[in-house]
Amino acid sequence: GDSVTQMEGPVTLSEEAFLTINCTYTATGYPSLFWYVQYPGEGLQLLLKATKADDKGSNKGFEATYRKETTSFHLEKGSVQVSDSAVYFCALRGGSGNTGKLIFGQGTTLQVKP
Amino acid sequence: DSGVTQTPKHLITATGQRVTLRCSPRSGDLSVYWYQQSLDQGLQFLIQYYNGEERAKGNILERFSAQQFPDLHSELNLSSLELGDSALYFCASSVRDPLRPDTQYFGPGTRLTVL
Repeated sequence: GDSVTQMEGPVTLSEEAFLTINCTYTATGYPSLFWYVQYPGEGLQLLLKATKADDKGSNKGFEATYRKETTSFHLEKGSVQVSDSAVYFCALRGGSGNTGKLIFGQGTTLQVKP
Repeated sequence: DSGVTQTPKHLITATGQRVTLRCSPRSGDLSVYWYQQSLDQGLQFLIQYYNGEERAKGNILERFSAQQFPDLHSELNLSSLELGDSALYFCASSVRDPLRPDTQYFGPGTRLTVL
């Protein structure tokens, strides 16, 4: 079945460092891909999305490109801030129709130190 | 604020008991999804309703059930609770246009603790 694999965390970076969180997926058809972020004690917030191959999603300085050839959707940010400390989830929504369920990776904890 | 509301925010109960979690979707959204977030299983899809009808089922236990009412709010019922049911339960909504499944917006979650 469909699945998402994220790099193991936690990831610890200094402020202004470059961030990459790897995400690869296995899916039939043409899934849409998402990154969600969960700040401490809060729910999930959509960070960015891409719905077809070669699409680039971007938001708040974060970017991810839908790479069908490598089945990847890696999250990047050029300069992280302490406020970016959170858990990041890669997810896919596969197939067609209105089922639309999301399949999540295990989450990657990011800690940014001043 | 996603526009999705969930109540209660926290719930503490005992094994064997039954609880009901409530979700109100964003205005105009027709689909409601329930997810469970636990330390050992991660984030898992439980069940989806679309305009009052069950649309998809995931890893939902037989002790759990859900429904979506005519006003589109949804309830997740958990019965014969076990310690392992302790988790964060999220509701998400989407699909204003039934022909174009779109982004799911998540509520703040209900944290269930079973003692």
